[in-house]
Amino acid sequence: GAVVSQHPSRVICKSGTSVKIECRSLDFQATTMFWYRQFPKQSLMLMATSNEGSKATYEQGVEKDKFLINHASLTLSTLTVTSAHPEDSSFYICSASDRPDQPQHFGDGTRLSIL
Amino acid sequence: AQSVAQPEDQVNVAEGNPLTVKCTYSVSGNPYLFWYVQYPNRGLQFLLKYITGDNLVKGSYGFEAEFNKSQTSFHLKKPSALVSDSALYFCAVRDERNYNTDKLIFGTGTRLQVFP
Repeated sequence: GAVVSQHPSRVICKSGTSVKIECRSLDFQATTMFWYRQFPKQSLMLMATSNEGSKATYEQGVEKDKFLINHASLTLSTLTVTSAHPEDSSFYICSASDRPDQPQHFGDGTRLSIL
Repeated sequence: AQSVAQPEDQVNVAEGNPLTVKCTYSVSGNPYLFWYVQYPNRGLQFLLKYITGDNLVKGSYGFEAEFNKSQTSFHLKKPSALVSDSALYFCAVRDERNYNTDKLIFGTGTRLQVFP
């Protein structure tokens, strides 16, 4: 149980393109979803926390207009990297949680490469 | 301030030997602690957690961790390492300022390398 599906697993696109990444909880309702960014050989950096039906809470230093997050249902959150540039290239990972005392369940990540 | 420290960037161990991956934490209240493992180009997989109860927590794939309140540590252990255990391990603590959103604070990760 507790499967989180993240799609796509890999994206390669030109600079200036907007890219949408989906995160779905397949067998549970995720009241909260998290988006992380991971640089090579580094830890996870939390970008934002999203709750179903409300605006995402962004961490300090994360551009809201650059990284658009939508959590329209209890099973789906999307991250859109708008007008992506090479410096946005990274590994993006989502996670979902249904209860405060339960662990977060992670997707397999999306490798974003901007040329 | 709340924090999690993983003092070792890398741990090397021979297959069949016991392994320990260290983690210390700093919180003002009672900690909710987690260990996750990450394989290359994958997300994180949950290994085990400590919320309350027994200090020795058993988790997936034969891993266990010992909660030590006096030393504020939560070291990950396994009696006999496998080559397939080679991966990146993260310790995390629940952000007690945000219990209602399950936000986690992660350590910097420790790369475990198990040699045949």
